Order: sequence, then structure tokens, then C-alpha cells
Amino acid sequence: DAGVIQSPRHEVTEMGQEVTLRCKPISGHDYLFWYRQTMMRGLELLIYFNNNVPIDDSGMPEDRFSAKMPNASFSTLKIQPSEPRDSAVYFCASSSRGQGAGNTIYFGEGSWLTVV
Amino acid sequence: QKEVEQNSGPLSVPEGAIASLNCTYSDRGSQSFFWYRQYSGKSPELIMFIYSNGDKEDGRFTAQLNKASQYVSLLIRDSQPSDSATYLCAVSTNDYKLSFGAGTTVTVRA
Repeated sequence: DAGVIQSPRHEVTEMGQEVTLRCKPISGHDYLFWYRQTMMRGLELLIYFNNNVPIDDSGMPEDRFSAKMPNASFSTLKIQPSEPRDSAVYFCASSSRGQGAGNTIYFGEGSWLTVV
Repeated sequence: QKEVEQNSGPLSVPEGAIASLNCTYSDRGSQSFFWYRQYSGKSPELIMFIYSNGDKEDGRFTAQLNKASQYVSLLIRDSQPSDSATYLCAVSTNDYKLSFGAGTTVTVRA
């Protein structure tokens, strides 16, 4: 399997611009997670989906952030408008309850976002 | 109080020694416990998971869980320079949310 695929890998944008991060989970996985990692706050869960339905978005920092999962193989995380404090690595991850390791999640390579 | 706490380190050990990493958690309802390794600039990758009290061994790695004391640890035996990384402890309840600690940075000196 190709693993979790994220794009873009790196993005530099100006404050106020819209940013869209994309994710393709591992085929057959029915859970999808968006995490954000910074030096200050570590790895934080933003939102997760089960069978394309958002289950918990309590980690989404504010209304500027939104996430969608229109089908089982694609999800987006959008920031509009972006701010310098949004600079971080955004990880998408997926998992399947049916796997032997229970709810082990597998991470994509991350999208490195810099807002200037 | 943070949900998952780890000593940030850095933990420096000589090659061939045992590296011992500790993690405590606050939610007594936690069911599953994971150790992830993250190399600089890379994504976290799963090393081990443990569900039951006691020890679980996988190669040079041993995870230890004590639910009564709410701690989980990771031992790395015969440490190698390639083990130099940040190790993340993660804990979940039944709702599939994984809460991560801040990570412990390990440096293995050749």
C-alpha cells in the first residue's frame, strides 16, 4: 500500500491567503485524522472522521479552520484566512479498527506550512 | 494537567546501553497505549502498542504498562545511533482519539 498521501509537502503563503491541504488515506481505512505539530504545543488532534463523517472537531482552533471528507479516499483541511501563527506541520493519518493493532494510526509525511 | 506527560529530555545514552523512557497519563479510562518514533523532519511511526498490564517485548524494545500507577514506559536495549529520535507516547480511550505527549528526545552517542 502507498500509505497516507498528503499534498502539498511544503507551502509558503502570505498572511490572509487561503490554504488547502489534501489527504488520501490508506485504502480500506475508515478513520481519518488531522493533526498539527508545533514546537510549542506538540502534536494536537484537530479533527477526525469516521466513514467520512466528522466525529470530533473540538481541536479545530477557530472558525478559520475547516475540514471536509467528501468520500472515503479524500479529505481537505482549509485555513481561510491564514495567519503566521498557523505555521506548523499538518499531519493526516488514518486507521482501521479491523487491523491487528487495534486503533493504531498511520501518518502521512506531513504538509509543512509557513505563513509569512 | 496535561493528558499525557513525558520528560522532554534530551536523554543521552552511550551506544549499547539501555535507554529508559517514561510516560504518565491522567485519564484512568485509557485503554490503549502506543509508542511512536519520530526522526527529525519526518512523520511519527509506530514502534509498539500495549493494552495489558505488564511487559511486552519486540526485538530490542520493551513496553511496560502499569494502569494502577497510570504510567507506561519504553526500554530500548543495546541502543544504536539509529535510535536517535524523538519518542512520542500516545494514549487513547475507546473513542479513537489519540492524545500525544510532547515527546522525549533521545541521543545515542557512538
